[in-house]
Amino acid sequence: QKEVEQNSGPLSVPEGAIASLNCTYSDRGSQSFFWYRQYSGKSPELIMFIYSNGDKEDGRFTAQLNKASQYVSLLIRDSQPSDSATYLCAVNIGQGGKLIFGQGTELSVKP
Amino acid sequence: GAVVSQHPSWVICKSGTSVKIECRSLDFQATTMFWYRQFPKQSLMLMATSNEGSKATYEQGVEKDKFLINHASLTLSTLTVTSAHPEDSSFYICSADGALDTQYFGPGTRLTVL
Repeated sequence: QKEVEQNSGPLSVPEGAIASLNCTYSDRGSQSFFWYRQYSGKSPELIMFIYSNGDKEDGRFTAQLNKASQYVSLLIRDSQPSDSATYLCAVNIGQGGKLIFGQGTELSVKP
Repeated sequence: GAVVSQHPSWVICKSGTSVKIECRSLDFQATTMFWYRQFPKQSLMLMATSNEGSKATYEQGVEKDKFLINHASLTLSTLTVTSAHPEDSSFYICSADGALDTQYFGPGTRLTVL
C-alpha cells in the first residue's frame, strides 16, 4: 500500500511567521511531488511541484525534497491570514499520472 | 493557462434519478482525466482514471455501473451518477493531466440527493 503521510494539524502560526508543512511517502520510486492548497468548500489549487532533491522557491513558498529520507516539505514565509487553508501533499507513483494524496494539514494563520 | 471547468457547480436531485457532470480542459488537451469524491472534513478519494478513447479504470470499491465515465475527446470527460441515492451526496471534483503529469483541478460539483 503506497502511502503519503501528513500531520493533520491544525497548525497555527501568527501572521508574518514561517509555516512549515511536512510530508513523508512510502514509495521510493516516486518521481514527482506536488503541494496543493484547498480552501474550505473549494477544490484543490496547485501551489508547487518539485522533482529534484533540494529546494525550489516560488515567491513566499519553498518546497524541499529529500528522496533519501522520503520527505517533502513546504515552507510559507511571511504567512498571511489568507494562507489559512488545508494543504495537500501529493506524490506521483508512476501509474499513468495517478497521484496519491496525504490527508492534508490544516493551517491557521492568526492576525 | 491550465484551466479546468466543471458543470454544473451544484445540483440537487431526487433519489433514483441520474446526474451528469461535465469536466472540460479549456486551454490544453488532456489524454487523462481523474474523478475524485470528497466528503466533509475528509481528503480526496480517487474514484477513477479516465483515458480518452478507452474505458475508465475504477478504484477498488467504486461501482463502475453506478458511476459511468466517458472521455470522448481530449478536452471533455463526463461522470454520470446513475440512480443516485442520498449517500451519493458529496463534492465531486475532476482533474486533468497537464504537462509533466501535473494535475489541474476543476472547481468541483456539489451533489445533493434528496
